[in-house]
Amino acid sequence: QVQLVQSGAELRKPGASVKVSCKTSGYTFTYYTISWVRQAPGQGLEWMGFISPYNGDTNYTQGLKDRFSMTTDTSTNTAYMELRSLRSDDTAIYYCAREAGSGSYYPLDYWGQGTLVTVSS
Amino acid sequence: DIVMTQSPESLALSLGERATINCKSSQSVLYTSNYKNYLAWYRQKPGQPPKLLIYWASTRAFGVPDRFSGSGSGTDFTLTISSLQAEDAAVYYCQQYYTTPWTFGQGTKVEIK
Repeated sequence: QVQLVQSGAELRKPGASVKVSCKTSGYTFTYYTISWVRQAPGQGLEWMGFISPYNGDTNYTQGLKDRFSMTTDTSTNTAYMELRSLRSDDTAIYYCAREAGSGSYYPLDYWGQGTLVTVSS
Repeated sequence: DIVMTQSPESLALSLGERATINCKSSQSVLYTSNYKNYLAWYRQKPGQPPKLLIYWASTRAFGVPDRFSGSGSGTDFTLTISSLQAEDAAVYYCQQYYTTPWTFGQGTKVEIK
């Protein structure tokens, strides 16, 4: 079965960086893009961007483009996100999610369990 | 960016009642070349990631009970839960995947009276 398993909770100081992993299994990793979506405490969902494990193509939301990057490792079927110059308002649960198809845009059909990133001095 | 606006923000209903959630997009999410609406609905229970319920505005995802239905086209969409069950207490989000940045509605909280 399809699974996305994320790394554990992180605590960082303002200005630091964080890297979260998303290990996938149960499907062909290179066939589907992986998105990252975050959710601040008690708030809604914010799409951050997606990456194609097939060719490394990325699509970032404009507001995070300078601080946010996504990568994949096809040898381990793992996706990564890194957020730099952390601020207190980056405190959120970060989810990875698989896009449901390829060749066009599709919804997000499988999600990781989420990784809480807390930014605090 | 396409702005997604849901209404109501919350609703409280009894078991077995019908729940209706609306979602309006600031521009059409209907792709005229394939006549598909790039609109999805998700349910998020406390402490869990979102779960895909409906895509292409009206297609139920695999394993989703038929009490969930989606309708609408262009800019106006509706999620209906025909007979509310206890496990439906959650926050529901609409999302457009017509163009990036993909955007979500602010969420509608459904409570059981």
